[in-house]
Amino acid sequence: ETGVTQTPRHLVMGMTNKKSLKCEQHLGHNAMYWYKQSAKKPLELMFVYSLEERVENNSVPSRFSPECPNSSHLFLHLHTLQPEDSALYLCASSQDRTDIYGYTFGSGTRLTVV
Amino acid sequence: AQKITQTQPGMFVQEKEAVTLDCTYDTSDQSYGLFWYKQPSSGEMIFLIYQGSYDEQNATEGRYSLNFQKARKSANLVISASQLGDSAMYFCAMRESPNTGNQFYFGTGTSLTVIP
Repeated sequence: ETGVTQTPRHLVMGMTNKKSLKCEQHLGHNAMYWYKQSAKKPLELMFVYSLEERVENNSVPSRFSPECPNSSHLFLHLHTLQPEDSALYLCASSQDRTDIYGYTFGSGTRLTVV
Repeated sequence: AQKITQTQPGMFVQEKEAVTLDCTYDTSDQSYGLFWYKQPSSGEMIFLIYQGSYDEQNATEGRYSLNFQKARKSANLVISASQLGDSAMYFCAMRESPNTGNQFYFGTGTSLTVIP
Protein backbone atom coordinates (compact mmCIF):
# COMPACT_ATOMS: atom_id res chain seq x y z
CA GLU A 1 0.00 0.00 0.00
CA THR A 2 1.32 3.45 -0.89
CA GLY A 3 0.53 6.96 0.29
CA VAL A 4 -0.73 8.03 3.68
CA THR A 5 -3.36 5.86 5.35
CA GLN A 6 -5.50 7.01 8.23
CA THR A 7 -7.70 4.85 10.43
CA PRO A 8 -10.45 4.88 11.37
CA ARG A 9 -12.20 6.90 8.66
CA HIS A 10 -15.03 7.82 11.01
CA LEU A 11 -15.13 7.93 14.80
CA VAL A 12 -17.90 8.86 17.21
CA MET A 13 -16.88 9.17 20.84
CA GLY A 14 -18.30 10.40 24.09
CA MET A 15 -16.63 13.13 26.07
CA THR A 16 -15.31 10.67 28.65
CA ASN A 17 -13.91 8.17 26.15
CA LYS A 18 -10.30 7.55 25.22
CA LYS A 19 -9.54 6.77 21.59
CA SER A 20 -6.62 6.96 19.19
CA LEU A 21 -6.24 8.00 15.57
CA LYS A 22 -3.64 6.24 13.50
CA CYS A 23 -1.62 7.45 10.52
CA GLU A 24 0.74 5.33 8.48
CA GLN A 25 2.95 6.25 5.53
CA HIS A 26 5.02 4.02 3.28
CA LEU A 27 6.72 6.82 1.37
CA GLY A 28 9.99 6.87 3.25
CA HIS A 29 9.21 10.36 4.54
CA ASN A 30 10.89 11.73 7.64
CA ALA A 31 8.35 14.37 8.66
CA MET A 32 4.75 13.82 9.69
CA TYR A 33 2.01 16.24 10.65
CA TRP A 34 -1.42 16.39 12.27
CA TYR A 35 -3.90 18.98 11.00
CA LYS A 36 -7.40 19.81 12.20
CA GLN A 37 -9.99 20.83 9.62
CA SER A 38 -13.15 22.45 10.97
CA ALA A 39 -16.01 23.67 8.82
CA LYS A 40 -15.46 27.11 7.30
CA LYS A 41 -12.02 27.48 8.94
CA PRO A 42 -8.55 27.16 7.49
CA LEU A 43 -6.63 24.00 8.25
CA GLU A 44 -4.91 24.27 11.61
CA LEU A 45 -1.53 22.69 12.14
CA MET A 46 -1.49 20.78 15.41
CA PHE A 47 1.77 18.86 15.61
CA VAL A 48 4.93 18.34 13.57
CA TYR A 49 7.26 15.40 13.94
CA SER A 50 10.65 15.24 12.26
CA LEU A 51 12.66 12.03 12.52
CA GLU A 52 10.29 10.86 15.25
CA GLU A 53 10.93 13.94 17.37
CA ARG A 54 8.20 16.46 18.05
CA VAL A 55 9.39 19.78 16.70
CA GLU A 56 6.24 21.82 16.83
CA ASN A 57 3.16 21.94 19.01
CA ASN A 58 0.82 24.73 18.05
CA SER A 59 -0.79 25.44 21.43
CA VAL A 60 -2.90 22.32 21.23
CA PRO A 61 -4.84 21.39 24.40
CA SER A 62 -3.40 18.52 26.40
CA ARG A 63 -6.46 16.38 25.70
CA PHE A 64 -4.71 15.72 22.35
CA SER A 65 -1.57 13.68 22.80
CA PRO A 66 0.55 12.71 19.78
CA GLU A 67 2.90 9.78 19.55
CA CYS A 68 5.42 8.90 16.84
CA PRO A 69 6.96 5.49 17.60
CA ASN A 70 8.82 5.37 14.27
CA SER A 71 9.08 7.35 11.06
CA SER A 72 6.22 5.46 9.42
CA HIS A 73 3.58 5.77 12.14
CA LEU A 74 1.91 8.67 13.88
CA PHE A 75 -0.85 8.49 16.46
CA LEU A 76 -3.14 11.05 18.01
CA HIS A 77 -4.44 9.95 21.39
CA LEU A 78 -7.70 11.55 22.44
CA HIS A 79 -9.21 11.82 25.93
CA THR A 80 -11.97 13.88 27.54
CA LEU A 81 -12.69 15.74 24.33
CA GLN A 82 -15.23 18.51 23.90
CA PRO A 83 -17.95 18.79 21.24
CA GLU A 84 -16.01 21.61 19.58
CA ASP A 85 -13.23 19.11 18.88
CA SER A 86 -15.49 17.49 16.28
CA ALA A 87 -13.67 17.93 12.96
CA LEU A 88 -11.77 16.18 10.19
CA TYR A 89 -8.28 15.28 11.39
CA LEU A 90 -5.78 15.04 8.58
CA CYS A 91 -2.37 13.46 8.69
CA ALA A 92 0.32 14.47 6.22
CA SER A 93 3.92 13.55 5.54
CA SER A 94 6.84 15.01 3.62
CA GLN A 95 10.40 13.98 2.84
CA ASP A 96 11.60 16.40 5.48
CA ARG A 97 10.38 19.61 7.08
CA THR A 98 11.80 21.77 4.29
CA ASP A 99 10.27 19.75 1.44
CA ILE A 100 8.25 22.19 -0.64
CA TYR A 101 6.49 19.81 -2.96
CA GLY A 102 6.15 16.56 -1.14
CA TYR A 103 3.27 17.13 1.25
CA THR A 104 1.13 14.02 1.00
CA PHE A 105 -2.14 13.97 2.91
CA GLY A 106 -4.23 11.09 4.12
CA SER A 107 -8.00 10.94 3.70
CA GLY A 108 -8.60 11.99 7.27
CA THR A 109 -10.57 10.75 10.25
CA ARG A 110 -13.99 12.36 10.67
CA LEU A 111 -14.37 12.74 14.44
CA THR A 112 -17.67 13.46 16.15
CA VAL A 113 -17.70 14.11 19.88
CA VAL A 114 -21.08 13.62 21.52
CA ALA B 1 -4.70 39.11 9.66
CA GLN B 2 -5.47 36.15 7.44
CA LYS B 3 -2.49 34.89 5.52
CA ILE B 4 -4.65 33.36 2.78
CA THR B 5 -8.01 34.69 1.67
CA GLN B 6 -10.43 32.83 -0.54
CA THR B 7 -13.50 35.00 -1.04
CA GLN B 8 -15.65 32.52 -2.95
CA PRO B 9 -17.27 29.99 -0.60
CA GLY B 10 -19.01 28.29 -3.53
CA MET B 11 -18.72 28.33 -7.32
CA PHE B 12 -20.65 26.69 -10.13
CA VAL B 13 -19.34 26.01 -13.63
CA GLN B 14 -20.79 24.33 -16.68
CA GLU B 15 -19.03 21.19 -17.80
CA LYS B 16 -16.29 21.93 -20.39
CA GLU B 17 -16.15 25.59 -19.40
CA ALA B 18 -13.19 27.25 -17.65
CA VAL B 19 -13.40 28.54 -14.08
CA THR B 20 -11.18 30.79 -11.95
CA LEU B 21 -10.89 30.33 -8.22
CA ASP B 22 -9.58 33.38 -6.40
CA CYS B 23 -6.82 33.50 -3.82
CA THR B 24 -5.00 36.43 -2.25
CA TYR B 25 -2.18 36.14 0.23
CA ASP B 26 -0.38 38.23 2.77
CA THR B 27 3.32 37.97 3.47
CA SER B 28 6.33 40.21 3.96
CA ASP B 29 8.75 37.44 3.00
CA GLN B 30 10.53 37.63 -0.34
CA SER B 31 10.73 33.87 -0.66
CA TYR B 32 7.52 31.88 -0.44
CA GLY B 33 5.58 29.17 -2.20
CA LEU B 34 1.95 29.07 -3.22
CA PHE B 35 -0.05 25.88 -3.58
CA TRP B 36 -3.46 24.69 -4.60
CA TYR B 37 -5.00 21.52 -3.23
CA LYS B 38 -8.18 19.69 -4.19
CA GLN B 39 -10.25 17.92 -1.55
CA PRO B 40 -12.96 15.60 -2.89
CA SER B 41 -15.67 14.25 -0.62
CA SER B 42 -13.36 11.36 0.30
CA GLY B 43 -11.37 13.84 2.42
CA GLU B 44 -7.91 13.45 0.95
CA MET B 45 -6.05 16.67 0.10
CA ILE B 46 -4.61 16.28 -3.39
CA PHE B 47 -1.76 18.53 -4.49
CA LEU B 48 -2.54 20.29 -7.79
CA ILE B 49 -0.02 22.99 -8.56
CA TYR B 50 2.86 25.01 -7.09
CA GLN B 51 4.18 28.51 -7.78
CA GLY B 52 7.38 29.85 -6.30
CA SER B 53 7.64 33.54 -5.52
CA TYR B 54 10.67 33.89 -7.80
CA ASP B 55 9.14 31.98 -10.70
CA GLU B 56 8.68 34.38 -13.57
CA GLN B 57 6.25 32.25 -15.49
CA ASN B 58 2.84 31.12 -14.33
CA ALA B 59 2.77 27.47 -13.30
CA THR B 60 0.75 25.02 -15.37
CA GLU B 61 -0.13 21.38 -14.79
CA GLY B 62 -2.39 19.90 -17.41
CA ARG B 63 -5.79 21.62 -17.14
CA TYR B 64 -4.66 23.62 -14.11
CA SER B 65 -2.84 26.91 -14.33
CA LEU B 66 -1.98 29.45 -11.68
CA ASN B 67 -2.47 33.11 -12.52
CA PHE B 68 0.28 34.63 -10.36
CA GLN B 69 0.18 38.41 -9.91
CA LYS B 70 2.91 39.16 -7.42
CA ALA B 71 2.30 42.89 -7.06
CA ARG B 72 -1.36 42.25 -6.27
CA LYS B 73 -0.48 39.24 -4.09
CA SER B 74 -2.93 37.04 -5.88
CA ALA B 75 -2.59 33.42 -7.00
CA ASN B 76 -5.77 32.43 -8.76
CA LEU B 77 -6.34 28.88 -9.96
CA VAL B 78 -7.71 28.45 -13.45
CA ILE B 79 -9.27 25.13 -14.39
CA SER B 80 -9.87 24.74 -18.10
CA ALA B 81 -12.40 22.38 -19.71
CA SER B 82 -14.11 21.52 -16.40
CA GLN B 83 -15.09 17.92 -15.81
CA LEU B 84 -17.68 16.45 -13.44
CA GLY B 85 -14.83 14.96 -11.41
CA ASP B 86 -13.56 18.46 -10.69
CA SER B 87 -16.42 18.98 -8.21
CA ALA B 88 -14.66 19.32 -4.86
CA MET B 89 -13.30 21.77 -2.31
CA TYR B 90 -10.26 23.72 -3.45
CA PHE B 91 -7.74 25.17 -1.01
CA CYS B 92 -5.10 27.78 -1.63
CA ALA B 93 -2.05 27.56 0.64
CA MET B 94 1.20 29.39 1.21
CA ARG B 95 4.50 28.40 2.70
CA GLU B 96 6.77 31.23 3.81
CA SER B 97 10.55 30.85 3.79
CA PRO B 98 10.39 27.31 2.47
CA ASN B 99 13.95 26.48 3.40
CA THR B 100 13.33 26.99 7.10
CA GLY B 101 10.55 24.46 7.27
CA ASN B 102 7.78 26.82 8.24
CA GLN B 103 4.23 25.58 8.20
CA PHE B 104 1.61 25.93 5.54
CA TYR B 105 -1.10 28.55 5.80
CA PHE B 106 -4.39 27.47 4.26
CA GLY B 107 -7.42 29.41 3.12
CA THR B 108 -11.00 28.50 4.01
CA GLY B 109 -11.58 26.88 0.65
CA THR B 110 -13.92 27.21 -2.32
CA SER B 111 -16.52 24.56 -3.08
CA LEU B 112 -16.68 23.98 -6.83
CA THR B 113 -19.65 22.26 -8.43
CA VAL B 114 -19.48 21.27 -12.09
CA ILE B 115 -22.89 21.15 -13.72
CA PRO B 116 -23.52 18.68 -16.56
